[in-house]
Amino acid sequence: KNQVEQSPQSLIILEGKNCTLQCNYTVSPFSNLRWYKQDTGRGPVSLTIMTFSENTKSNGRYTATLDADTKQSSLHITASQLSDSASYICVVMGHGQNFVFGPGTRLSVLP
Amino acid sequence: ETGVTQTPRHLVMGMTNKKSLKCEQHLGHNAMYWYKQSAKKPLELMFVYNFKEQTENNSVPSRFSPECPNSSHLFLHLHTLQPEDSALYLCASSQDLGRGNEQYFGPGTRLTVT
Repeated sequence: KNQVEQSPQSLIILEGKNCTLQCNYTVSPFSNLRWYKQDTGRGPVSLTIMTFSENTKSNGRYTATLDADTKQSSLHITASQLSDSASYICVVMGHGQNFVFGPGTRLSVLP
Repeated sequence: ETGVTQTPRHLVMGMTNKKSLKCEQHLGHNAMYWYKQSAKKPLELMFVYNFKEQTENNSVPSRFSPECPNSSHLFLHLHTLQPEDSALYLCASSQDLGRGNEQYFGPGTRLTVT
């Protein structure tokens, strides 16, 4: 069964600290893996898209990694800011338009 | 702003009502999507349109009826909904169905069925 799991479910950190969010998937065949940021009451915004051959991709303070062999991805946030408080969603695209969404990690950054 | 707008932003309707959600994209994209996001559940893809043609229907109940009159507009017609249909309905667009294309989401319509 195609699934995407994310951990932790929620996370609280202090402003300025780093954190890492995890994503494990069983989607096959694999096309690409995406990380989205979703602010409360808003639509998701794309952070990164990674294909099979990409191990690391950065977007400002966000760095995503992908290990296609173990089917794991991580999203590392450096020097967190209050505006980073949001849900972070891992999405794996399989065959056709088969998007499998993870449940998300709710991040709260406190001053 | 992402260039994808949705109206209304909030909607409360009874189970016997008929209402429609509207999505418009100003990005020149050819593919549009409807998603459902229920509380504490992952996003669920409902419908996909490419060049106005429906390409995906993810086993969505017939009380949800999509319409795509052109590549810029997408509607979701609602009738005889159930309370469990209460959710955030998100519209998205992408250049086309190419695998690496970014999807741009609208802000969503928060639907409450009473």
